[in-house]
Amino acid sequence: SQTIHQWPATLVQPVGSPLSLECTVEGTSNPNLYWYRQAAGRGLQLLFYSVGIGQISSEVPQNLSASRPQDRQFILSSKKLLLSDSGFYLCAWSSNTYEQYFGPGTRLTVT
Amino acid sequence: EDKVVQSPLSLVVHEGDTVTLNCSYEVTNFRSLLWYKQEKKAPTFLFMLTSSGIEKKSGRLSSILDKKELFSILNITATQTGDSAIYLCAVPGDASGSARQLTFGSGTQLTVLP
Repeated sequence: SQTIHQWPATLVQPVGSPLSLECTVEGTSNPNLYWYRQAAGRGLQLLFYSVGIGQISSEVPQNLSASRPQDRQFILSSKKLLLSDSGFYLCAWSSNTYEQYFGPGTRLTVT
Repeated sequence: EDKVVQSPLSLVVHEGDTVTLNCSYEVTNFRSLLWYKQEKKAPTFLFMLTSSGIEKKSGRLSSILDKKELFSILNITATQTGDSAIYLCAVPGDASGSARQLTFGSGTQLTVLP
């Protein structure tokens, strides 16, 4: 069966510091991968998605970036965090269907 | 731009009550509508609906789609405290390759009191 991992689970970072969040998927090949942000426990905003290694599409312009160095690895980064980057970051995967399956999330607080 | 609107934003009920959550959508090219339940962390998939009038059911949860009126409802009967969660509705957007971006509503926060 497929599993999706995210780490860290929680993170407190000062404004201006860098960020790296990692997501890995097991039990499937060539998944579609997604990064979402959820503010204040509400709806999810799609940030990036990827259909393959090195292929990244951005949905929202911001100071975040994403990379996919391996088939089942998706990384969310920032060179300098802003206060507005605080939120709950969720990674998800899908195959060639509409259902997406989510990882446990990373709660980021920028201070 | 695709849009998903959920109502109510929050709902407080007592155990044993029946609740109905609403989701309306505007999408350029409708393919399906998905419901998720989110407790403390990851949203978990509940249902995917593609056809009007066909009820999907899982235990005390059921959902139905109306493609003419562009909405879906999620019913929960005989609610329990474990049903307390945010319920999210989503629709896939236009495909880019094999990716299926989901547009989510803002969710309904359901609280079930003992």
